[in-house]
Amino acid sequence: EPEVTQTPSHQVTQMGQEVILRCVPISNHLYFYWYRQILGQKVEFLVSFYNNEISEKSEIFDDQFSVERPDGSNFTLKIRSTKLEDSAMYFCASSQGGNQPQHFGDGTRLSIL
Amino acid sequence: AQSVTQLGSHVSVSEGALVLLRCNYSSSVPPYLFWYVQYPNQGLQLLLKYTTGATLVKGINGFEAEFNKSETSFHLTKPSAHMSDAAEYFCAVTNNAGNMLTFGGGTRLMVKP
Repeated sequence: EPEVTQTPSHQVTQMGQEVILRCVPISNHLYFYWYRQILGQKVEFLVSFYNNEISEKSEIFDDQFSVERPDGSNFTLKIRSTKLEDSAMYFCASSQGGNQPQHFGDGTRLSIL
Repeated sequence: AQSVTQLGSHVSVSEGALVLLRCNYSSSVPPYLFWYVQYPNQGLQLLLKYTTGATLVKGINGFEAEFNKSETSFHLTKPSAHMSDAAEYFCAVTNNAGNMLTFGGGTRLMVKP
């Protein structure tokens, strides 16, 4: 069964550094998403992406965050200047359409030192 | 705006006993509802979904959930718990545009031998 893959599984970064989290969505899916889960808290929506543009974003997704689909397969989340509070598990997801089930990757654990 | 409340952050049952995980939602539009399961160090796996039609939906691993519009609930049940069901379970609802999920806080299910 096709799946969403995320790399790396764990990223350790110094505060203030830029970090890029990578995702390969399921190949025939058209909608792409990023969520995060701070340790012990609920899963929170960050952003959705469709037709090469952001279709929805939360208040968490401020100017420090950006997303890109640089080629036909990858979907990336960039954090420009990381803060301690960015430490979390980041999940990528994709779906065939809006309101369709979202399929999640195994996540990237981001640790900011 | 959508919101999801899961009553009980931890539920413990004996192997073979009924599993009942509660979920209540608020939504300004007819909701699309989902249950996801998260095993340790893994991503979110779709258990089942409600879109329209029959209010009782069946999912994987013997789970089912019933959409109750008057009670704004979508409780998850399984007649007989297995040890392998021990995991965290998340209820989620989509927004009007169907391009983001709002998750509940999660319920950790523990299964005792």
